Amino acid sequence: QVQLVQSGAEVKKPGASVKVSCKASGYTFTDYYIHWVRQAPGQGLEWIGWIHPNSGGTNYAQKFQAWVTMTRDTSITTTYMELNRLRSDDTAIYYCARDGAVGYHDYWGQGTLVTVSS
Amino acid sequence: EIVLTQSPGTLSLSPGERATLSCRASRSIPSNYLAWYQQKPGQVPRLLIYGASSRAAGIPDRFSGSGSETDFTLTISRLQPEDFALYYCQQYSSWTFGQGTKVEIK
Repeated sequence: QVQLVQSGAEVKKPGASVKVSCKASGYTFTDYYIHWVRQAPGQGLEWIGWIHPNSGGTNYAQKFQAWVTMTRDTSITTTYMELNRLRSDDTAIYYCARDGAVGYHDYWGQGTLVTVSS
Repeated sequence: EIVLTQSPGTLSLSPGERATLSCRASRSIPSNYLAWYQQKPGQVPRLLIYGASSRAAGIPDRFSGSGSETDFTLTISRLQPEDFALYYCQQYSSWTFGQGTKVEIK
C-alpha cells in the first residue's frame, strides 16, 4: 500500500533552517510528483510546491520561491523540503502528498510539526 | 493566482440532512481541475473528489461534486456522524486552496 512517512517534529530558532523528509513506499517513486503543503495552527491549507522525483524538477509557489528548496534521493525513495530563514509565522504542520495524476493529492504523509520560537 | 472562496464558513446541520458546500473561483479553472478534501481534527486531509466530480477510491457515494469554470459544489446527501469535519476545495491548475467550510452538528 502507498505510504508516505515523514520525519519527526522540529523546534527551531528564528533565522534557522529546517529540512523535513518524506519517505515513499508502495509504488514506483519516480512516477509521481510529490507536493508539500503546510497548515499553521488553526488555519487552512497552503500549497508550497512540488518536486518530480524522476527529473528533480521543482515548482514553488511564488511566496516561497526565495526560501524553500525541494530535493530528492531516489536511492532511498525520499524527498526533502528545506525552509531557510525561519520566522515565527512558519510554525505549522508540514505535509508531503503524492500527486494522483494531474495535480490533486491522493496520499498524504502524517505531517511534521515545525515550531519556530526563540 | 486563482483565489478560491468557500461558503458558508460554517454549516450547522443535523445527521441525515443534506449538506451543500460552495467553492467559487476568481477565474475559470481549466479542465475542471478542482478537488475537495475532508479534514477532521488532528487528522491528515483526505481526498474526496477530483476533476470536480470524480469520487476518490473508497469514498462513499453520498459525497458528490459538481460544477464547472468558476462555480463548484460539494454535496453530502445524508450526513453521517463521521462527516462532521472541515472541507477544503483546491484548484490544481496552479494550486491554491479555499479557506475551508466547517460542517458542525446542529
